[in-house]
Amino acid sequence: DAGITQSPRYKITETGRQVTLMCHQTWSHSYMFWYRQDLGHGLRLIYYSAAADITDKGEVPDGYVVSRSKTENFPLTLESATRSQTSVYFCASSKQVGETQYFGPGTRLLVL
Amino acid sequence: AQSVSQHNHHVILSEAASLELGCNYSYGGTVNLFWYVQYPGQHLQLLLKYFSGDPLVKGIKGFEAEFIKSKFSFNLRKPSVQWSDTAEYFCAVTQGFQKLVFGTGTRLLVSP
Repeated sequence: DAGITQSPRYKITETGRQVTLMCHQTWSHSYMFWYRQDLGHGLRLIYYSAAADITDKGEVPDGYVVSRSKTENFPLTLESATRSQTSVYFCASSKQVGETQYFGPGTRLLVL
Repeated sequence: AQSVSQHNHHVILSEAASLELGCNYSYGGTVNLFWYVQYPGQHLQLLLKYFSGDPLVKGIKGFEAEFIKSKFSFNLRKPSVQWSDTAEYFCAVTQGFQKLVFGTGTRLLVSP
């Protein structure tokens, strides 16, 4: 029972580079979410998806792009990484929005 | 828009002390309420949730929370904390089919 996995777990990149963070869930949950966790801000929603090919912006979407061609995958791309995007990124999924979300282990991203 | 306040950012307790972490939300209608816990280096895990019914909710590891609608509160309690409860605790709220909104978190340190 893999649940929800994220890769890579750790990533160091340089300003201006493109970075893609992967998220995969095995529960066939309809909803998937990307959050970033920063000290003093808690978790902030970047993007979410209600189903394959349906995505929407969250609280802090600027500088990020998502896609969802398959129900089980929800990659997050930083098109041109900036230092302010140094953070811990969590992917989550739920059967329906408003219900319990299950979180992945997170990706620690450092942008130099 | 819904907002969640966790007034205690850092709490330090000795083992066996009682714990109460505050959580207040802004929306007055029907809400779903959650407490998540993040142990050091780990992902968020669901501690307990309230959707309807008995406003006193019991979760894992001896935690409980009480929903007080008139006070817009969902405080987390544990009668006797252990060193292993050292973690960051997040309150989260949804209204209807809206997305989860997280508080900024409370870091609990339990000294042995």
